[in-house]
Amino acid sequence: AQSVAQPEDQVNVAEGNPLTVKCTYSVSGNPYLFWYVQYPNRGLQFLLKYITGDNLVKGSYGFEAEFNKSQTSFHLKKPSALVSDSALYFCAVRDYGGANNLFFGTGTRLTVIP
Amino acid sequence: KAGVTQTPRYLIKTRGQQVTLSCSPISGHRSVSWYQQTPGQGLQFLFEYFSETQRNKGNFPGRFSGRQFSNSRSEMNVSTLELGDSALYLCASSLAELSDTQYFGPGTRLTVL
Repeated sequence: AQSVAQPEDQVNVAEGNPLTVKCTYSVSGNPYLFWYVQYPNRGLQFLLKYITGDNLVKGSYGFEAEFNKSQTSFHLKKPSALVSDSALYFCAVRDYGGANNLFFGTGTRLTVIP
Repeated sequence: KAGVTQTPRYLIKTRGQQVTLSCSPISGHRSVSWYQQTPGQGLQFLFEYFSETQRNKGNFPGRFSGRQFSNSRSEMNVSTLELGDSALYLCASSLAELSDTQYFGPGTRLTVL
């Protein structure tokens, strides 16, 4: 069965500091991995995805994520956090060869403190 | 290109009623998925349609149904509404393949009284 875990409900970071939002996954086949961000009263916005290739994926707004197959992780990172990055972040996985639907984690609320 | 549009944006219904939500995907996108978002359960997959056929279905009761039209527009129906159906219902569209990015609409906020 596929699953996604975001172990931290809340992450606080000071403006200008690096940020990491953690995600681990479990799939039976090959994973397609995604990060989305949700701002208040809005739908989800796509940040980046890993399908195949380089383990380091670069996405929108300066975000990047590192795919680690041995640790089944796909952590979201940014070198220098902005107050405007404060939002709800979702990791998602699609199990290619398995259930195929996009399965979301429970979300991590990121707060960047000025 | 216009984004994914959902109508209506807000709905208030009472228990026992039924409701239909509409989603228009990005032009050229043939796959439409529906999700329910609640504070307690997070984002839960409802179903996915491609070329008017249901491709995947989540773990929801039969009161939740959907369909897709030949122009890729999709509707979701919930019958015999319960208080627990109050949620933000999100629609997402993608081109076709499983690796494609899904683009989300703003959602329909359903409140059941």
